[in-house]
Amino acid sequence: NAGVTQTPKFQVLKTGQSMTLQCAQDMNHEYMSWYRQDPGMGLRLIHYSVGAGITDQGEVPNGYNVSRSTTEDFPLRLLSAAPSQTSVYFCASSPGLWSNQPQHFGDGTRLSIL
Amino acid sequence: GENVEQHPSTLSVQEGDSAVIKCTYSDSASNYFPWYKQELGKGPQLIIDIRSNVGEKKDQRIAVTLNKTAKHFSLHITETQPEDSAVYFCAFQRGGYSTLTFGKGTMLLVSP
Repeated sequence: NAGVTQTPKFQVLKTGQSMTLQCAQDMNHEYMSWYRQDPGMGLRLIHYSVGAGITDQGEVPNGYNVSRSTTEDFPLRLLSAAPSQTSVYFCASSPGLWSNQPQHFGDGTRLSIL
Repeated sequence: GENVEQHPSTLSVQEGDSAVIKCTYSDSASNYFPWYKQELGKGPQLIIDIRSNVGEKKDQRIAVTLNKTAKHFSLHITETQPEDSAVYFCAFQRGGYSTLTFGKGTMLLVSP
């Protein structure tokens, strides 16, 4: 099993550019989420989805869009990149949002915005 | 809102010593408490978790204790080894339909 796969692993953008961070899981998990990790800030939830066609905002959603057209894929879109969005982005999945469901993380996308 | 305080932010120990990381949470409705280990360049990986109806859980050299009255839970690593060096995150989740909230992390360095 590949688990949670994130692409690309590294990306450099210029301010104002757009891009999509890809996330795919092969575990048939209903719940998928995006976090950003910044020094001293831990993991902060950006957006999440509890199933195909259903998304919701997390703690820091501004500047990001998501969609969930299939169970497997949950892309994160930056429409107009800003330097404040320089971060490491992690995608995670779990069987469901109900309690006691461990999350499985990808290895991250390291994004720098100049 | 919901939050969790994690201490210390950095911890240096000698190989063979024990390491303890403590987290304090605010939401009394929390009932799931996982711990994640993040190695350099990798995503967080679950190492142990505990539910609110259990006070302690152990898996070889790692253990987690939960004090619901005081609203804190701790990760204990015994006989530390250099490969235990990583960033450790605590997290908690309320019952029902809710997301995980993470602590800010503890960087553990085990020196040979």
